[in-house]
Amino acid sequence: AQTVTQSQPEMSVQEAETVTLSCTYDTSESDYYLFWYKQPPSRQMILVIRQEAYKQQNATENRFSVNFQKAAKSFSLKISDSQLGDAAMYFCAYRSDGGYQKVTFGTGTKLQVIP
Amino acid sequence: DTGVSQNPRHKITKRGQNVTFRCDPISEHNRLYWYRQTLGQGPEFLTYFQNEAQLEKSRLLSDRFSAERPKGSFSTLEIQRTEQGDSAMYLCASSLYGTSSGELFFGEGSRLTVL
Repeated sequence: AQTVTQSQPEMSVQEAETVTLSCTYDTSESDYYLFWYKQPPSRQMILVIRQEAYKQQNATENRFSVNFQKAAKSFSLKISDSQLGDAAMYFCAYRSDGGYQKVTFGTGTKLQVIP
Repeated sequence: DTGVSQNPRHKITKRGQNVTFRCDPISEHNRLYWYRQTLGQGPEFLTYFQNEAQLEKSRLLSDRFSAERPKGSFSTLEIQRTEQGDSAMYLCASSLYGTSSGELFFGEGSRLTVL
């Protein structure tokens, strides 16, 4: 079974600075997808960024980028120019490419943005 | 389409009572997921459907939990003989199987409090 581990329960960053959230995962599959989801306080979860395992190039979405290290099974999220609206819980998630494609989440990292 | 809708948003019940939650996914989405989330934790997989077929159910889920998606559209999650440990946020998400993205679209959740 696949597992997703987020070892940083809480992180803080100064507004306009850069922060990196860590995620590792365990799988025996070669094809899969990785995601970072954001859950603001009392609001629904939304997708931040997605990475296909077969792509070597790291995904980027505006201020958000990932560092995908397939061999190390590591998938970190970098947030540049942090904004107050970035404060939220961030969840790393894994999905198989084949089979039933169940999505497995990590335990989350709570990000605090300091003005 | 306004996204994934969940009802009720909040439910307070006494131990031993039955509760039912409803999820209306995005209309063209054929995949529907149920997750449970407790405070400060990541979403824990419960079950999911492709159309009306229930593809997988968590082994952690007791027999008191049952889910249906009778016509491949909305879904219900029923908890029988509720216990205080069932208190949590129940999240529904939908996706379109067959697309490369596999993004989950979440509802706002149904919060259950068992007294």
